[in-house]
Formats: sequence, structure tokens, C-alpha cells
Amino acid sequence: AQSVAQPEDQVNVAEGNPLTVKCTYSVSGNPYLFWYVQYPNRGLQFLLKYITGDNLVKGSYGFEAEFNKSQTSFHLKKPSALVSDSALYFCAVRDPGTYKYIFGTGTRLKVLA
Amino acid sequence: NAGVTQTPKFQVLKTGQSMTLQCAQDMNHNSMYWYRQDPGMGLRLIYYSASEGTTDKGEVPNGYNVSRLNKREFSLRLESAAPSQTSVYFCASSEAPASGRIRNEQFFGPGTRLTVL
Repeated sequence: AQSVAQPEDQVNVAEGNPLTVKCTYSVSGNPYLFWYVQYPNRGLQFLLKYITGDNLVKGSYGFEAEFNKSQTSFHLKKPSALVSDSALYFCAVRDPGTYKYIFGTGTRLKVLA
Repeated sequence: NAGVTQTPKFQVLKTGQSMTLQCAQDMNHNSMYWYRQDPGMGLRLIYYSASEGTTDKGEVPNGYNVSRLNKREFSLRLESAAPSQTSVYFCASSEAPASGRIRNEQFFGPGTRLTVL
């Protein structure tokens, strides 16, 4: 069965420090991977996706993610965190052969001033 | 473009009452989805519609029904609400090319916060 795991419920980082939010996946075939962000009382917003090509994907708001096939990971990163990055982050994978997307349980990022 | 819109934003029901959550998108997307979000559980797929005229069950369909009214609109109905259906409900849409190579991200509505007493 296809699955996505976000092993950390919460990540705390100081403003200006680099941040990493972890995601691992299990999927048959080539994975299509996504990161979304959710601010309080809002819907999810798309950040970036990996479909094929370069393992380092750049997205919105200075975020990037590194696809690692051998470790089946797709970690979200940002070189310098902002307080405004504080939000709930979701990793997702498309279930191959279907129209369905599978989401992780989310990681709450807290950037401390 | 309004994107994905949902109505209502908030709703309180009593156990056994029925209601319909409305969703519309103006991006000409083929696929539409209904999710529920509960603390610690992420997003769980209730139903989806790959294209106009088709609907399929997701992970947690029990207690819900859906209607893909046309390409723009996808509604979710609770026939007899239960406290376990207290949740935040999100509608989403995505482009699904005829080729079937589904690579595209989803666009989400702002959500409906439902409380069942």
C-alpha cells in the first residue's frame, strides 16, 4: 500500500537558522511527491512538487525539497527560516495508477524569534 | 479567478440532521476531491471524482454521499450527521490530462468547519 510518513509532529527552529521538515514515502513505481503548507484557518497551499529530473526542487517562499530515491525521502528545506514560516506542513504522494493523493499527518513548524 | 470555493464556512448540526456541503471551482479542472482533516490524522480522502460523471470512494466514505453536479461543482452530503463527523472538510481540485499522467498539484478551498452535537 502507498503511504507517506512525517515522523515529527512539531519542529522548532530559531529565526535565521536553516530548517528541515522530514518526509518519507512508500510507493510502487515512480513517485510524484508534493509539499503543501496550511496557515491557521486556511486551506492547503501548494509549495512544490517532484515529478522527474533534478533531485533538488525549488518552490514558493524560498522553500526547496530534496528527493532521495535510495532513502525514499523528500525532505523540505529552507536555508533561513522566518517567523512567518510558522505553519502546518503536509507531504503528499500521488497513488500511481489512480487519481488519489495520499497525505502525511502533517508537521507543525514553529519558528522562534 | 476565485479558485475553489466552499459553502458554508461554519455549520453546527444536531445528531441525525442532514446537510450538504457545496464546492465549486473555476479552473476547468477535471478532478475534484473531498477530504476531512482531524487533529493528528492529516487529511483523509472521503470521495473523489476523477472526471465529470464519475465518483469513487476514498479512505473514509461511510456516512457520506457525493454528487458531481457538473464539471465545476462537487457536493458532499451527510444524510444523518453523527458526532464522529465533527471535522474540518476541504474540497480540492486538480487538472487530470486525458493522457492519464497525473502530475499536477491540487488546489484547495478554505474549508468548512462542521460541529455535530
